Amino acid sequence: KAGVTQTPRYLIKTRGQQVTLSCSPISGHRSVSWYQQTPGQGLQFLFEYFSETQRNKGNFPGRFSGRQFSNSRSEMNVSTLELGDSALYLCASSSGLSDTQYFGPGTRLTVL
Amino acid sequence: GENVEQHPSTLSVQEGDSAVIKCTYSDSASNYFPWYKQELGKRPQLIIDIRSNVGEKKDQRIAVTLNKTAKHFSLHITETQPEDSAVYFCAASIRKAAGNKLTFGGGTRVLVKP
Repeated sequence: KAGVTQTPRYLIKTRGQQVTLSCSPISGHRSVSWYQQTPGQGLQFLFEYFSETQRNKGNFPGRFSGRQFSNSRSEMNVSTLELGDSALYLCASSSGLSDTQYFGPGTRLTVL
Repeated sequence: GENVEQHPSTLSVQEGDSAVIKCTYSDSASNYFPWYKQELGKRPQLIIDIRSNVGEKKDQRIAVTLNKTAKHFSLHITETQPEDSAVYFCAASIRKAAGNKLTFGGGTRVLVKP
């Protein structure tokens, strides 16, 4: 099976803009989770979607939002970008019935 | 919420020696503990995981042990090789009907010197 894919791989934005990141899970997987990775805060959970519903949410401001489509692909949106949003954004897919999560390559977001 | 602490933050070993990374978690309800390896510029890769009904699990040179009473778990890598050099993350989650989220430790940078 093909692995988890994320697009785009790199993004440069300026403060105040918004951005949308995309994640395609492993075929047959219905759960997609998003994580933010920074040198200072490490890997932090953003949210999880399962069957088009947000099933879990981390402690991030409302500027961070997501959604999932009927084909399980997921998007994450960050509005009103801040310098501190610069990070590697990783998505992970799982079957939804198992705990095991497989990560995508990530999207490197730089906010100038 | 869950808190996971990981030690040490950096670990340098000679090729062929063993490496041990330790993690502690705070929520006694946590029941799933994966370990990920992340090489520079690459995605975190699951290398081994353990569930709370098991005390130890081995996969070739890698083993994980879990002590539920003390709320800690450890990764053991034997006969280390240069390709084991990477950042290793432990994580914990509570498997429940409302989904699962991984809480990660801060990571351990492992350097295997040839």
